[in-house]
Amino acid sequence: DADVTQTPRNRITKTGKRIMLECSQTKGHDRMYWYRQDPGLGLQLIYYSFDVKDINKGEISDGYSVSRQAQAKFSLSLESAIPNQTALYFCATSDSSSRRNEQFFGPGTRLTVL
Amino acid sequence: GNSVTQMEGPVTLSEEAFLTINCTYTATGYPSLFWYVQYPGEGLQLLLKATKADDKGSNKGFEATYRKETTSFHLEKGSVQVSDSAVYFCALSDEYTGNQFYFGTGTSLTVIP
Repeated sequence: DADVTQTPRNRITKTGKRIMLECSQTKGHDRMYWYRQDPGLGLQLIYYSFDVKDINKGEISDGYSVSRQAQAKFSLSLESAIPNQTALYFCATSDSSSRRNEQFFGPGTRLTVL
Repeated sequence: GNSVTQMEGPVTLSEEAFLTINCTYTATGYPSLFWYVQYPGEGLQLLLKATKADDKGSNKGFEATYRKETTSFHLEKGSVQVSDSAVYFCALSDEYTGNQFYFGTGTSLTVIP
């Protein structure tokens, strides 16, 4: 079973629609992250959460919001989707008790906004 | 600030060729360095890491040495296989910035038989 799961895996939506991407993990990690991947740009951090009550903006948070419903769940919302939010979205987790944190990634959600 | 600069691709090699993917970094503290690999249609997987200067990370025939004097962490493999075709990301994690990760732009590798 996958340790970090993302739903849906693929989504096509229209401009202006509200979209939620969900991430769940069974690794018991306290930290969770949302990234987007665009060709030639690598991964850009959208939001991150160091625990349930700690939410932080990343480098490209405009147009996105997040919710950490539980230690194991971290959702990313696009309030009003626009075409330039078409990308591959990844959730990741890490363990703050590990001295040098590794991040563990979900399989990704491919989002297309028409 | 922290950043990672990675060799641009795409890179195309014949099977059994030698691979080098260059990666240099800037960091405010003493970072850990990572190489992640992304196979087609999948998420990123940790390939190898090094946590301090002169450490060598290795896995699946890939190696990278943490060079503080040149701020580099180049990825190498002596003989690539078709199954190594993937996108490779160099990354750093710095405890001074809360262990946030900073990724390079990725290098696409295609190995042809």
